[in-house]
Amino acid sequence: EPEVTQTPSHQVTQMGQEVILRCVPISNHLYFYWYRQILGQKVEFLVSFYNNEISEKSEIFDDQFSVERPDGSNFTLKIRSTKLEDSAMYFCASSPQGGRYEQFFGPGTRLTVL
Amino acid sequence: QQPVQSPQAVILREGEDAVINCSSSKALYSVHWYRQKHGEAPVFLMILLKGGEQKGHDKISASFNEKKQQSSLYLTASQLSYSGTYFCGTGGAGSYQLTFGKGTKLSVIP
Repeated sequence: EPEVTQTPSHQVTQMGQEVILRCVPISNHLYFYWYRQILGQKVEFLVSFYNNEISEKSEIFDDQFSVERPDGSNFTLKIRSTKLEDSAMYFCASSPQGGRYEQFFGPGTRLTVL
Repeated sequence: QQPVQSPQAVILREGEDAVINCSSSKALYSVHWYRQKHGEAPVFLMILLKGGEQKGHDKISASFNEKKQQSSLYLTASQLSYSGTYFCGTGGAGSYQLTFGKGTKLSVIP
């Protein structure tokens, strides 16, 4: 069964450093998403991406964040200058279409900012 | 605004039933239910759409009351594997993002 994959599974970085989190969505899906989950809290939407552009973003997704689909398979989330409060589990998700379709989540990348 | 889930936590014995509720102050276009086990990704269970369409799990059922802006997830004859935190995610018209509730922690014991 096709699944969303994410790398790395765990990333440790120093405050102020840039990190790139990588995702490979399910191959025939058209919509891609990033969510984050701070330990013990709810899952929060960051951004959705369709047709090579951002379709929606939340208040969390400020200028420090960017997304890119550099080739036909990868979908990346970049945090330019990490802060302590960016420590969280970051989930990538994809869906065949938007809105009325289920979103399939990847296993997540645990980001720890020291 | 995030949906409100109730109860926050529930403990069941194997074979018992449970209902988890999700309500929103905003008009709902879709309700998505996920289960998350500790340290793992949320796993899709069910989607309920405005107009009555449903897609999802064979052994789990759910309802969607559009007027009341509520959804309920019904877990019958619970198994140990049902343990986890259940999240509802709500979608609005013209929006692709899901807004998740705080979750309901379900523990099934032998």
